[in-house]
Amino acid sequence: SQQGEEDPQALSIQEGENATMNCSYKTSINNLQWYRQNSGRGLVHLILIRSNEREKHSGRLRVTLDTSKKSSSLLITASRAADTASYFCATDAGDKIIFGKGTRLHILP
Amino acid sequence: EAGVAQSPRYKIIEKRQSVAFWCNPISGHATLYWYQQILGQGPKLLIQFQNNGVVDDSQLPKDRFSAERLKGVDSTLKIQPAKLEDSAVYLCASSLGRRRTNEKLFFGSGTQLSVL
Repeated sequence: SQQGEEDPQALSIQEGENATMNCSYKTSINNLQWYRQNSGRGLVHLILIRSNEREKHSGRLRVTLDTSKKSSSLLITASRAADTASYFCATDAGDKIIFGKGTRLHILP
Repeated sequence: EAGVAQSPRYKIIEKRQSVAFWCNPISGHATLYWYQQILGQGPKLLIQFQNNGVVDDSQLPKDRFSAERLKGVDSTLKIQPAKLEDSAVYLCASSLGRRRTNEKLFFGSGTQLSVL
């Protein structure tokens, strides 16, 4: 079963613009993580936000978490061509880490 | 630091044949995961090992899939016999240990399986 649901499923933006993708989940979690997957490759961990945190930054990434709404958002600022990839949220409820279906991000030149 | 190694990179078989995938996790990582990723979907956990013991295999189709992690290091995932719907990328991941909180996973590049 997949707990996280990303929105939108696909997103195309111009290089330099900001990209925002959202994740909703169903049960209580210890933390929520975001991963990136380039075509034909494995997933790469981007950022982890704990359940008692509301916002976290890492370089051009900003993640928010609203546990009351069971949702998270990932913002990528000043997008680059290299950001073209699929992005997955993953929820950790303590027993296992479950991934959503992902958002496919395409950066247009 | 060496990453998670997987082989083979690609595999094409006919239905009803058997296939095996190999994974070598990052040195010192106690937890190893096998995920199945069907095209256009997110990874689905098949089995999770803590050292050489199985922690979760609730979504592993045990009538055809098997996995082992001998000596708590390398792991092998086997499918026998394969079905058309097994066509997917099989990803191996490892982490320091599930008894810790706030673990992050390190993934290999995956094995792309095509069942004809």
